[in-house]
Amino acid sequence: NAGVTQTPKFQVLKTGQSMTLQCAQDMNHEYMSWYRQDPGMGLRLIHYSVGAGITDQGEVPNGYNVSRSTTEDFPLRLLSAAPSQTSVYFCASSSRMSGQETQYFGPGTRLLVL
Amino acid sequence: SQQGEEDPQALSIQEGENATMNCSYKTSINNLQWYRQNSGRGLVHLILIRSNEREKHSGRLRVTLDTSKKSSSLLITASRAADTASYFCATVPGGGADGLTFGKGTHLIIQP
Repeated sequence: NAGVTQTPKFQVLKTGQSMTLQCAQDMNHEYMSWYRQDPGMGLRLIHYSVGAGITDQGEVPNGYNVSRSTTEDFPLRLLSAAPSQTSVYFCASSSRMSGQETQYFGPGTRLLVL
Repeated sequence: SQQGEEDPQALSIQEGENATMNCSYKTSINNLQWYRQNSGRGLVHLILIRSNEREKHSGRLRVTLDTSKKSSSLLITASRAADTASYFCATVPGGGADGLTFGKGTHLIIQP
């Protein structure tokens, strides 16, 4: 199993540009989520999904959109990039079954917005 | 706002010593998890403890949970240079809500 994969690894954007961060998992997990990590901080939840067709907002959703058309994929869209969105973005997935709540994280996407 | 707060923010010890990190949280939880992050990498799950458990072990790791004080501790025994990393606690809220809430982490340095 590849686990959780994220593309791209690095991205530089100009203010106002849009882009999509890709996330895929091959573990048939129901739950997927996006976090951002800023220097010296823990991870903050942006959006999450408990299954295909179902998404919900986390702690810091503004400026981001998500969709979940398949179990495997959970892309994160930046609509109009701002310097405040410079961060490292992590995607994670887990089963929702009791006893299997371990979250598996992707390697991250480093985003710089100029 | 962030649920968990780790203490200390940074810890430097000699190889072979034990390392203890603490986590405090604010609201009721379903479970609490500890993760490790090596520099520039994603997070790796270490251990999960449920709200009805008080202590759990996994190899050199020992986690305790005190729900009355809303706190948890992670003990790493016989530390190794490879344990150098940032350690985060994360809570899953009670009441069936979804999503992990992370603290800011403890940066652990093991001196050889």
